[in-house]
Amino acid sequence: DAGVIQSPRHEVTEMGQEVTLRCKPISGHDYLFWYRQTMMRGLELLIYFNNNVPIDDSGMPEDRFSAKMPNASFSTLKIQPSEPRDSAVYFCASSPGPSYNSPLHFGNGTRLTVT
Amino acid sequence: GENVEQHPSTLSVQEGDSAVIKCTYSDSASNYFPWYKQELGKGPQLIIDIRSNVGEKKDQRIAVTLNKTAKHFSLHITETQPEDSAVYFCAASLVKNAGGTSYGKLTFGQGTILTVHP
Repeated sequence: DAGVIQSPRHEVTEMGQEVTLRCKPISGHDYLFWYRQTMMRGLELLIYFNNNVPIDDSGMPEDRFSAKMPNASFSTLKIQPSEPRDSAVYFCASSPGPSYNSPLHFGNGTRLTVT
Repeated sequence: GENVEQHPSTLSVQEGDSAVIKCTYSDSASNYFPWYKQELGKGPQLIIDIRSNVGEKKDQRIAVTLNKTAKHFSLHITETQPEDSAVYFCAASLVKNAGGTSYGKLTFGQGTILTVHP
């Protein structure tokens, strides 16, 4: 089991540029989550998918953020245009189901710096 | 929505001592309380969890207690070791049922930086 794989690990970009973060969930996991971690706000859920369908995107901060899951093994989180306040660590997590016995498995995150 | 408060924000102990981290939650309907450990440069990893029908759960050196009346739960680490140094997060959610299709959205506490000095 390779775990949740995120790329890139680090991303540095200039304000106004488009940023795309990528995630490969654990095979067989039907749920995929995007979280953002900052010192000020902690871990925030941005959006989650079930069977590739977005279920709850109420945590997406603005229209500049969008997420897709074209198939069961791949998801992207896109920020366009990026702003300095988007600087954070973005985590992808997956889970096999909604029950007690289905904990979240996090990737190692993408550290985004927008200058 | 759910609100989870976690204390302390930092905790420093000597190796071999015990460490206790406390969390309170606001939604009395929440029924699932996991704890995650995050090491530097890595994502959070589940270390223990407890359901609302249980008051205490233990796994080797770590234990979690839950007081539903007071809406608080705690993580206890005994015989701490330097490798226990990390950031610990509590979380709360409502899992509707084991076969449910509606996912219990986790609300995380702000985290506790635990440092264990050799």
